[in-house]
Amino acid sequence: QQQVKQSPQSLIVQKGGIPIINCAYENTAFDYFPWYQQFPGKGPALLIAIRPDVSEKKEGRFTISFNKSAKQFSLHIMDSQPGDSATYFCAASSRSGSRLTFGEGTQLTVNP
Amino acid sequence: NAGVTQTPKFQVLKTGQSMTLQCAQDMNHNSMYWYRQDPGMGLRLIYYSASEGTTDKGEVPNGYNVSRLNKREFSLRLESAAPSQTSVYFCASNLILVEKLFFGSGTQLSVL
Repeated sequence: QQQVKQSPQSLIVQKGGIPIINCAYENTAFDYFPWYQQFPGKGPALLIAIRPDVSEKKEGRFTISFNKSAKQFSLHIMDSQPGDSATYFCAASSRSGSRLTFGEGTQLTVNP
Repeated sequence: NAGVTQTPKFQVLKTGQSMTLQCAQDMNHNSMYWYRQDPGMGLRLIYYSASEGTTDKGEVPNGYNVSRLNKREFSLRLESAAPSQTSVYFCASNLILVEKLFFGSGTQLSVL
């Protein structure tokens, strides 16, 4: 069973646009929500992460928004660039848990 | 600093053949993981090793075995490969459970 549901599966935006990728989780014990970025032929790499004690976290052009009551979190990419074209995975885990549960992934294409 | 190194990068097997995927990390991490990545299914955990000397099943362990050879090395074995095991396999490690994962560059495996 998929404990973290991610949408959309693919997304195309123009340069400068603000793509938004959404994730929803079921397990209320989850308390760590990272996003990983993967370029073709490479392994995923941690992009940004949030814990539920805050509703938003920004790192450069990347922002995570977190809604604990709705059990949802999302990634926003401001002023997107062609170099942001990659697959993005959300994930979740609990402090007492032993591993991350990943979403299905979103393939983002930013056109010049 | 090499990080997480996986070998081989590509492999083609016939149904029923066996093989071992190798993984080594040079970051003195305690925990190591094997994931498989399939289109539309995200990253699914096969097995993990929280610390040297321990291994545990993940979401999709059937058809696989693992060995934590020492703190640096964690291998994944397919005893009798099946077409359903065609996938991209990633090894990952981190200092402690849950926190930032460091991934290798992957092994693309095809089982005919």
